[in-house]
Amino acid sequence: QQQVKQSPQSLIVQKGGIPIINCAYENTAFDYFPWYQQFPGKGPALLIAIRPDVSEKKEGRFTISFNKSAKQFSLHIMDSQPGDSATYFCAAANYNQGGKLIFGQGTELSVKP
Amino acid sequence: GAVVSQHPSWVICKSGTSVKIECRSLDFQATTMFWYRQFPKQSLMLMATSNEGSKATYEQGVEKDKFLINHASLTLSTLTVTSAHPEDSSFYICSARSGLREQYFGPGTRLTVT
Repeated sequence: QQQVKQSPQSLIVQKGGIPIINCAYENTAFDYFPWYQQFPGKGPALLIAIRPDVSEKKEGRFTISFNKSAKQFSLHIMDSQPGDSATYFCAAANYNQGGKLIFGQGTELSVKP
Repeated sequence: GAVVSQHPSWVICKSGTSVKIECRSLDFQATTMFWYRQFPKQSLMLMATSNEGSKATYEQGVEKDKFLINHASLTLSTLTVTSAHPEDSSFYICSARSGLREQYFGPGTRLTVT
């Protein structure tokens, strides 16, 4: 019940395309859903995060869509660029129980020029 | 703001020796620090959670006597891998948090045990 399932495992898009990465969770107590970007050999960096009282959040070219009833959330990257090529992780946490992050399996994104 | 550093960025050690990794929050006081391990092409696996001044809480399956964690101040946590073996070779990442705010991750430490 603590798992977060992420798909796809890898994704290739052309420059300007809109890659979409999906995550699903079971634990309805989760109340914080962040997305992280990780480049090879580096630590993850927070991209954008959402709370379950909001269905969508945009920050620059990154958008999170959140479906509370389906227990799913997704990341959309608008006008993707080769520099967006990285591994993306979704996560979920329950801040009433310490806020420990449960990570998805990761998606390796490649944006072709 | 919210910068977390790790030292060293990479380390090679011989089997049977111990190695210490430092994690520092540079511009905020970290009430909680987390240590993760990441194998190639895999996700981050939480090893332990430490709160300043108290003993670390280890995740199931993580040997607390092998991975010693000390969170002696609000800006510093250390992870010591004792009697390291080749299977301990991995990418170790710390994160830090102030209260219940965002977790900020360090750049990671690549450990290779020969």
